[in-house]
Amino acid sequence: EIVMTQSPATLSVSPGERATLSCRTSQRVGSNLAWYQQTVGHGPRLLIYGASTRATGIPARFSGSGSGTEFTLTIDSLQSEDFAVYYCQQYNNWPYTFGQGTKLEIK
Amino acid sequence: EVQLLESGGGLVQPGGSLRVSCAASGFTFSSYAINWVRQAPGKGLEWVSAISGGGTSVYYADSVKGRFTISRDNSKNTVFLQMNSLRAEDTAVYYCARDLYASGSYYGVLDYWGQGNLVTVSS
Repeated sequence: EIVMTQSPATLSVSPGERATLSCRTSQRVGSNLAWYQQTVGHGPRLLIYGASTRATGIPARFSGSGSGTEFTLTIDSLQSEDFAVYYCQQYNNWPYTFGQGTKLEIK
Repeated sequence: EVQLLESGGGLVQPGGSLRVSCAASGFTFSSYAINWVRQAPGKGLEWVSAISGGGTSVYYADSVKGRFTISRDNSKNTVFLQMNSLRAEDTAVYYCARDLYASGSYYGVLDYWGQGNLVTVSS
């Protein structure tokens, strides 16, 4: 099973600033990595797949990069609705695995 | 509009059984693989199981293999998760989620999710 490690566990950033979230995989997954956003009481929302492709309707301030074992989600000009928990997920191997999440909070 | 609606959760005793359902609408159901993902209270996401569009291929997490069974009825646009021999550690909100591509097979990106259904295993 591929182990996903996200850092940091909690990130405090001011509105309007940039947030950078990291995800590391225990084995190479190519570009088969996705990012999801979850707000309290809701199911996750797909943001990025293929490491860098934005899902339908996702604003351009969200961007993903990386390949192999190191991946980054960058959120520019943070809006109030962006403060949430973010998960990375690999889909290169069964079973699909998720990181433990990064909570993005308002500074 | 794509919609996924889970139902069937509730309180069950350890060792008991429960079946949760996922009713879909707004897309050609049989063309998409469907997944179950769970989230224990205050914890992260854990993928549980997946079924191909035609229902001929299934996958399970090791934590549920031999206890859970995924199935689908394409005539009713519904996926089921039969959960047997339930344990306290199965307590979670169970989400169904659609695979991104209409290939009938698996891609692994989950583009639409239901609102979740709570399953509590406790005596």
